[in-house]
Amino acid sequence: DAKTTQPTSMDCAEGRAANLPCNHSTISGNEYVYWYRQIHSQGPQYIIHGLKNNETNEMASLIITEDRKSSTLILPHATLRDTAVYYCIVSTSGSRLTFGEGTQLTVNP
Amino acid sequence: GAGVSQSPSNKVTEKGKDVELRCDPISGHTALYWYRQSLGQGLEFLIYFQGNSAPDKSGLPSDRFSAERTGGSVSTLTIQRTQQEDSAVYLCASSISSGRGQETQYFGPGTRLLVL
Repeated sequence: DAKTTQPTSMDCAEGRAANLPCNHSTISGNEYVYWYRQIHSQGPQYIIHGLKNNETNEMASLIITEDRKSSTLILPHATLRDTAVYYCIVSTSGSRLTFGEGTQLTVNP
Repeated sequence: GAGVSQSPSNKVTEKGKDVELRCDPISGHTALYWYRQSLGQGLEFLIYFQGNSAPDKSGLPSDRFSAERTGGSVSTLTIQRTQQEDSAVYLCASSISSGRGQETQYFGPGTRLLVL
């Protein structure tokens, strides 16, 4: 599976959009981009995934560049409960997930 | 609907004892994964089941670790002769395996194992 690079930490003001970047320059054509988050002491929570097109669901939006070498997870209106470690993972469907260090997002009041 | 459940939530054991950790996947999910997360570390893959078969056991750290799945549903991870370095959160995930891709894994809350 392709490796990903994410910033170690980010801060965001409550109510503002949180934009979390991820680089995956070695992604293969059949690999999806998945985003999970882990709130302290809980199991990882699935957020969103995509292959080529931008995706949106009730939690977030995923913007994937045309060359697929990077992506951005957008939380449109961050709340204090969005404070968590966010993981960007690229993987072929139906295989193990390789978690990196992720980005610690802190939403401040 | 019900998510992935794991039991026990917490387990404290003495070094050298055997432990069994249980995972109940989402109903209808044929794929099941075990991961572990040591304190302050990332998630580490252990084993993957497709139905009752385990085509990928490559993440099991030693022969003290084993897992089985029966009836294509419940899975048990067994650690024999536990060591202090086995202390970690053990996480289970399941996904539907439709063969059409986009097989998102959904995680349970984990079992926190402490070996004294």
